[in-house]
Amino acid sequence: TQLLEQSPQFLSIQEGENLTVYCNSSSVFSSLQWYRQEPGEGPVLLVTVVTGGEVKKLKRLTFQFGDARKDSSLHITAAQPGDTGLYLCAGADGGATNKLIFGTGTLLAVQP
Amino acid sequence: DTGVSQDPRHKITKRGQNVTFRCDPISEHNRLYWYRQTLGQGPEFLTYFQNEAQLEKSRLLSDRFSAERPKGSFSTLEIQRTEQGDSAMYLCASSFRGQGRDTQYFGPGTRLTVL
Repeated sequence: TQLLEQSPQFLSIQEGENLTVYCNSSSVFSSLQWYRQEPGEGPVLLVTVVTGGEVKKLKRLTFQFGDARKDSSLHITAAQPGDTGLYLCAGADGGATNKLIFGTGTLLAVQP
Repeated sequence: DTGVSQDPRHKITKRGQNVTFRCDPISEHNRLYWYRQTLGQGPEFLTYFQNEAQLEKSRLLSDRFSAERPKGSFSTLEIQRTEQGDSAMYLCASSFRGQGRDTQYFGPGTRLTVL
């Protein structure tokens, strides 16, 4: 069974601080996606990483896919209150269905 | 393109009633997924359609659940004889199987509360 563990589960920081969220598994994924979810809404795609070692930047967000494609990290620089939300990593199983295996999420609160 | 849409956004029902949810995927997306998310958890896969064919069902999908995707366009998820344990957010996602990364895009979800 493929599992994804995210850490930390909760994070409360002040505006302007930096943070890193980790997503780890013992399984290899064909790709990994990061989503952000607001209360009562569906997950919104932030990025997809495919190649081992890949690094992608989205403004103040930096995403990295591990060399072995088993883990990933999300780094936010100078967090802002608008970054508040639930961050979910999801690995694609790469089979015919290509369904997503989600982590439990990291709930981020950025205080002004 | 308006993205994935779901209807209704919220549904409150009494235990034992039947409910049906609808998902309209991004046009020309041939893959459609249903997931369920309970409070404090990430979404869990329920079922998958490629065009009109339902190709995979999770063990989470009991006999009370049925999903269809007639003509390979919109999809419906029906829950019969609802139970309190069915209370959750039901999410639909679509993607295009072809060249590229096959990224899934999610709808806003339907929040089901069973009293």
